[in-house]
Amino acid sequence: RKEVEQDPGPFNVPEGATVAFNCTYSNSASQSFFWYRQDCRKEPKLLMSVYSSGNEDGRFTAQLNRASQYISLLIRDSKLSDSATYLCAVKGGSSNTGKLIFGQGTTLQVKP
Amino acid sequence: GAGVSQSPRYKVAKRGQDVALRCDPISGHVSLFWYQQALGQGPEFLTYFQNEAQLDKSGLPSDRFFAERPEGSVSTLKIQRTQQEDSAVYLCASSLGTEQFFGPGTRLTVL
Repeated sequence: RKEVEQDPGPFNVPEGATVAFNCTYSNSASQSFFWYRQDCRKEPKLLMSVYSSGNEDGRFTAQLNRASQYISLLIRDSKLSDSATYLCAVKGGSSNTGKLIFGQGTTLQVKP
Repeated sequence: GAGVSQSPRYKVAKRGQDVALRCDPISGHVSLFWYQQALGQGPEFLTYFQNEAQLDKSGLPSDRFFAERPEGSVSTLKIQRTQQEDSAVYLCASSLGTEQFFGPGTRLTVL
């Protein structure tokens, strides 16, 4: 079993739709959680960190559920430009080097 | 300001050839990470440097992989006797705090 798991999708949604992605992690000692966005043939870019209290940035909302060991990303009013792969990443646990453990990524395709 | 840069951007190697991949981190960033990303997968950790010290190399898949950062700035990832399964994008990231900034990667194809 992988340490961080995501549904690879693809998620095909119309413009304006709300879409949610989940990501589960197995190491209960994990300390920090992130969502990255990766466009085709580009590098991952940080979309948002995920805090225990949940956090929102415009149309994007991230939540952490430590008890069930998952994080989520909600995108409201999706735009064509949101089409990308969304990677969740987890840091911490027994290793303190700061390395990120990534999920496989979830592909989102927003259609007109 | 300049971000993380990597060179070459693309590398085609014949099986058995040695390759060297370069990473120029953001100036002043103490932490440097190498990741390997296979097609359709998320990046997988290879190794970590804090300044010139290689503190974690647990992700290096075999002893054919070697990384160095002799002066605590530029880093080189070397792969000896390349195999087809080494074909992937090699990403470098640097960090001063929590956020890791990724370079554009080197796409390695081993024929």
